[in-house]
Amino acid sequence: TQLLEQSPQFLSIQEGENLTVYCNSSSVFSSLQWYRQEPGEGPVLLVTVVTGGEVKKLKRLTFQFGDARKDSSLHITAAQPGDTGLYLCAGPPSGGSNYKLTFGKGTLLTVNP
Amino acid sequence: DSGVTQTPKHLITATGQRVTLRCSPRSGDLSVYWYQQSLDQGLQFLIQYYNGEERAKGNILERFSAQQFPDLHSELNLSSLELGDSALYFCASSRDSTISGNTIYFGEGSWLTVV
Repeated sequence: TQLLEQSPQFLSIQEGENLTVYCNSSSVFSSLQWYRQEPGEGPVLLVTVVTGGEVKKLKRLTFQFGDARKDSSLHITAAQPGDTGLYLCAGPPSGGSNYKLTFGKGTLLTVNP
Repeated sequence: DSGVTQTPKHLITATGQRVTLRCSPRSGDLSVYWYQQSLDQGLQFLIQYYNGEERAKGNILERFSAQQFPDLHSELNLSSLELGDSALYFCASSRDSTISGNTIYFGEGSWLTVV
């Protein structure tokens, strides 16, 4: 079983601060996805990274896939209360391309106004 | 609103009982997935169906079964329920069964409490 370790587990910051959360594995992933889950809702896909070293930006969110495709990071600039939620990384089975995803346990982010 | 509909949203049942969770995928989506989310295990893949046929299996217990019907809706049957089966069960759907060029959409989940 491929494991995805996310850190930190919990993060509480003030509005306007920057933050980075991490997703690490000892295994190589063909791609990694980041999701945000808000209370009472299902996870929502934010981005898919495929190429080692790839950087993708989504407004104030910057996603990076490690060169070796074993790790990824999510950086949020000038966090806002609306960014509050559980951030999950996920990847398909080794060599696979389907949605039999392995999920990390997530980083629970709270942005205080 | 993801377009994936799950019912019921909440249910409480006793140990040993059987329940059925229902899922309607997004219009046009052929793949349906079931995931279980608990505090200690996180989000775990259970099973996937594509156009009525089982495509992939994950950590699904033998007490659990699922199916996808000709109209593409799916049901997850949980039997001989145990306290440890208490969790949030998500259904998700996608147009195809591969990640490339596709997005998976999750429903709001069915919260199961076994007492």
